[in-house]
Amino acid sequence: DTGVSQDPRHKITKRGQNVTFRCDPISEHNRLYWYRQTLGQGPEFLTYFQNEAQLEKSRLLSDRFSAERPKGSFSTLEIQRTEQGDSAMYLCASSLIGGAQYFGPGTRLTVL
Amino acid sequence: SQKIEQNSEALNIQEGKTATLTCNYTNYSPAYLQWYRQDPGRGPVFLLLIRENEKEKRKERLKVTFDTTLKQSLFHITASQPADSATYLCALDAYSGGGADGLTFGKGTHLIIQP
Repeated sequence: DTGVSQDPRHKITKRGQNVTFRCDPISEHNRLYWYRQTLGQGPEFLTYFQNEAQLEKSRLLSDRFSAERPKGSFSTLEIQRTEQGDSAMYLCASSLIGGAQYFGPGTRLTVL
Repeated sequence: SQKIEQNSEALNIQEGKTATLTCNYTNYSPAYLQWYRQDPGRGPVFLLLIRENEKEKRKERLKVTFDTTLKQSLFHITASQPADSATYLCALDAYSGGGADGLTFGKGTHLIIQP
């Protein structure tokens, strides 16, 4: 399977804990995006990388959120001091420059 | 403020008929528009991309139109099947000079194809 993969698929954590998610994009894609989706809403853009450079961050990305793409391949999204409002599906997508974005299956986060 | 509207109510269509979904936007000048399908608990699946200088795009039973004057896109599924039942998302991107930024999505339209 050469699509976008995400790990883990589900994460349950207690409020105040840190969590980290991983995304492996389609190998030839140079752009990687993170989105968040809550029930009944469309995905909301968080941030994106071109190769290893983080080029844009949404105002939704508070200082508790940090994303990295150290070698221009896989990416991690970390949430520190989780809050119940962070409960959502976290989606990763990748693309070529100017091309369609292909999404992974998502990581479902539940903060208790 | 920028706004994308999709029919928030479920759309019920008889099998074999054409389903037409609408995406309207305001205060936005997208370079291109994308349509995605999403099934419950899964990530969106890319269907079609149409650019601002294109009027229409087709792929098998799917057709998308893009009217930048009306600020509207229509998404058609011909010869609809129960397997087409899903939520369909419209997403816009504003040209930044470097290509794709993050997409802005509508809330999606839930399509139900009844046998």
